[in-house]
Amino acid sequence: GQNIDQPTEMTATEGAIVQINCTYQTSGFNGLFWYQQHAGEAPTFLSYNVLDGLEEKGRFSSFLSRSKGYSYLLLKELQMKDSASYLCAVSPADRGSTLGRLYFGRGTQLTVWP
Amino acid sequence: DGGITQSPKYLFRKEGQNVTLSCEQNLNHDAMYWYRQDPGQGLRLIYYSQIVNDFQKGDIAEGYSVSREKKESFPLTVTSAQKNPTAFYLCASRSSRRGNQPQHFGDGTRLSIL
Repeated sequence: GQNIDQPTEMTATEGAIVQINCTYQTSGFNGLFWYQQHAGEAPTFLSYNVLDGLEEKGRFSSFLSRSKGYSYLLLKELQMKDSASYLCAVSPADRGSTLGRLYFGRGTQLTVWP
Repeated sequence: DGGITQSPKYLFRKEGQNVTLSCEQNLNHDAMYWYRQDPGQGLRLIYYSQIVNDFQKGDIAEGYSVSREKKESFPLTVTSAQKNPTAFYLCASRSSRRGNQPQHFGDGTRLSIL
């Protein structure tokens, strides 16, 4: 079966750096997405990795190691507004289609303290 | 503005009643998805459709039905067979443009039992 694991909760202080890990075991791999979801709102897309390495996008970076089935989301210079749930989602290989389903982890609830 | 519109924002269901949640997108996306989210949980896939007049069951399809008669629309019916329908329902769509595109989400419908 498909298995996506993330820590349930994390806390950090304003201005700090936090790393949210995600490990996965899926039937094939066609990319990994990170989403941010504030309470009561829809998830919004943050980043996408399909090749090994680090993708940087402003204060947020995402890393992927396909051989280890591992990704992390790195948030720098934390702000109060970064308090949210962060969802890791894997796109399994789907016979060349990129319109198939994603498998989501349960999300990591990040609380940023002043 | 292009986007995904879900309606209603809040919905109440009586025992034994079927209710339909609307999802419309004007992004010209080929694929559409329905997820259910329970408090403190990740997203669980109910149904998805990669093309008009075709759809596939997700992980928790029992008690739900969908149709995809138009590219823009993917309504979800929560039937009386779904005994625990109280949840946050999210609709998403995805482009078939080159590369593995992210799913974009509507603002969700919160369904409760009366």
